[in-house]
Amino acid sequence: DTAVSQTPKYLVTQMGNDKSIKCEQNLGHDTMYWYKQDSKKFLKIMFSYNNKELIINETVPNRFSPKSPDKAHLNLHINSLELGDSAVYFCASSHPRMGEAFFGQGTRLTVV
Amino acid sequence: SQQGEEDPQALSIQEGENATMNCSYKTSINNLQWYRQNSGRGLVHLILIRSNEREKHSGRLRVTLDTSKKSSSLLITASRAADTASYFCATDNYGQNFVFGPGTRLSVLP
Repeated sequence: DTAVSQTPKYLVTQMGNDKSIKCEQNLGHDTMYWYKQDSKKFLKIMFSYNNKELIINETVPNRFSPKSPDKAHLNLHINSLELGDSAVYFCASSHPRMGEAFFGQGTRLTVV
Repeated sequence: SQQGEEDPQALSIQEGENATMNCSYKTSINNLQWYRQNSGRGLVHLILIRSNEREKHSGRLRVTLDTSKKSSSLLITASRAADTASYFCATDNYGQNFVFGPGTRLSVLP
């Protein structure tokens, strides 16, 4: 079973559309994250949730809205997509005592 | 702000050689971790070293941590073509998030 799964793996959409990326983890972790990886491979934290509560919200346009219906899920909704939103988005989870983060396979978003 | 910085940005070696990558960071840390990312895939955790540790081994991997210099190094011994990937260091901001450096692209030539 995949530990952290996110869907879809690829997403191609037009500017101005609204899209969602779903993430689920079956590891029992309390903390989940969304990271954005740009074309230069740099990974930047977007959001961090602990037990369904937002604990980190980096400087991200408010067109990006995370939603955590329960501690195993952290979805990312993006409104009014722009060309600059094209990137790979990674969901991850971790347990504070264990330390390591487990990553999903990523969602490659292409805005045309 | 960016925490980790890997050096070099790219490294090309022959199979069987050792590969060394370095990472520097700016603030105090709980632990430092190294991850591998194969092309088009997610990140895979390799090894974690805590702030009170100086060296750690895992198979062909050796990690050192110098908190006085705020730096770490990852050594991969006897490299294989399958080690070709990007390697990232990440500092643990006490469980709130992991701050990644820009990564080192390692190419191991057969």
